[in-house]
Amino acid sequence: DVKVTQSSRYLVKRTGEKVFLECVQDMDHENMFWYRQDPGLGLRLIYFSYDVKMKEKGDIPEGYSVSREKKERFSLILESASTNQTSMYLCASSFGQGFYGYTFGSGTRLTVV
Amino acid sequence: DQQVKQNSPSLSVQEGRISILNCDYTNSMFDYFLWYKKYPAEGPTFLISISSIKDKNEDGRFTVFLNKSAKHLSLHIVPSQPGDSAVYFCAASARVGGGADGLTFGKGTHLIIQP
Repeated sequence: DVKVTQSSRYLVKRTGEKVFLECVQDMDHENMFWYRQDPGLGLRLIYFSYDVKMKEKGDIPEGYSVSREKKERFSLILESASTNQTSMYLCASSFGQGFYGYTFGSGTRLTVV
Repeated sequence: DQQVKQNSPSLSVQEGRISILNCDYTNSMFDYFLWYKKYPAEGPTFLISISSIKDKNEDGRFTVFLNKSAKHLSLHIVPSQPGDSAVYFCAASARVGGGADGLTFGKGTHLIIQP
């Protein structure tokens, strides 16, 4: 089974802090994604990457950046956390150009106070 | 502008009956559609998908129907079981084969199966 691991289940950070959310997948998937889930808004794509050192903006990239130095790891960075970034963050990965569904991690519940 | 719409935030169905979850989309470039199921405090899990070249795909108790002319798809669960209680997300991709472009998700429908 493909496993996507997010380093923290729950995180509390202060406004203005720099926050790193880590995601690791163990099945050599090319593509990795960061979504956030908010009540009434569903899942919204923040950033995605289809190769090492490659990144593409999703629908809501403002206030975020990403890093993909290794194929298995995709990090989401909140440069200066704000309270409106309090959310559930979900990492996902998928294989190549074919469509086999995305595999999601368990999520990180981030609270910015 | 919401490209994938799930207009029912919640749905309550009796155990053993059919659950029908609906999804509408506006982007005519979407050609691959998926349903995901999500339990609280867990990531979404892939349930079933359908390509735009088909109008029906079945997997056990789950069937997805696609009506391209109406830009509408639905997920049928028969019979509904207590473990089906979850939030269901409809998702779409504008690229055949999906791949790296990212999925567009609806807001989700919370399905509650009552005993």
